Amino acid sequence: DTAVSQTPKYLVTQMGNDKSIKCEQNLGHDTMYWYKQDSKKFLKIMFSYNNKELIINETVPNRFSPKSPDKAHLNLHINSLELGDSAVYFCASSSGITPGQYFGPGTRLTVT
Amino acid sequence: GESVGLHLPTLSVQEGDNSIINCAYSNSASDYFIWYKQESGKGPQFIIDIRSNMDKRQGQRVTVLLNKTVKHLSLQIAATQPGDSAVYFCAENIGGSYIPTFGRGTSLIVHP
Repeated sequence: DTAVSQTPKYLVTQMGNDKSIKCEQNLGHDTMYWYKQDSKKFLKIMFSYNNKELIINETVPNRFSPKSPDKAHLNLHINSLELGDSAVYFCASSSGITPGQYFGPGTRLTVT
Repeated sequence: GESVGLHLPTLSVQEGDNSIINCAYSNSASDYFIWYKQESGKGPQFIIDIRSNMDKRQGQRVTVLLNKTVKHLSLQIAATQPGDSAVYFCAENIGGSYIPTFGRGTSLIVHP
């Protein structure tokens, strides 16, 4: 009964490829997020999605796009992968009552 | 343990000691604060939160102190155990926003 799950756990791919990371939460939360964590552990918000409202961090390249088929899922699509995209990507969710977030286990993306 | 510069700040303690991890937050309008613990290979996990109308909140072995005058937050861990070894993040929220701003993180290493 995992609260926030992500697949895959590890993703190794070559430059120029397109890939997707899936995220699902079973907490009934109405807000979901994608974060990128670099090698120095800095957590950077990429997107938040709340009741069909998408808030995008303006520093995120448009090669990255979130897609939410329903309230429990927020997938991350990445086009034309670059070496600098290598990082750990975390999905998270929260309720509208308190902004405390529940994080998934992360997806380690390695671009070669 | 403030998070500046290129390297992740590190706090090393002996098992059984008390640990204090510090965080300087950026926005005087922030009214909700959270501490997260991130163990190796896992996503950040909620530890404790505090609202700006409080200056102290206690949990099990953890205490968060908030000093709004100097925009400073600290996490105190009593009787630190090897299982407390992790990276700790503070996060701040401005009222009405569900997007937190994460601090840089502090690595806590507990020696048995």
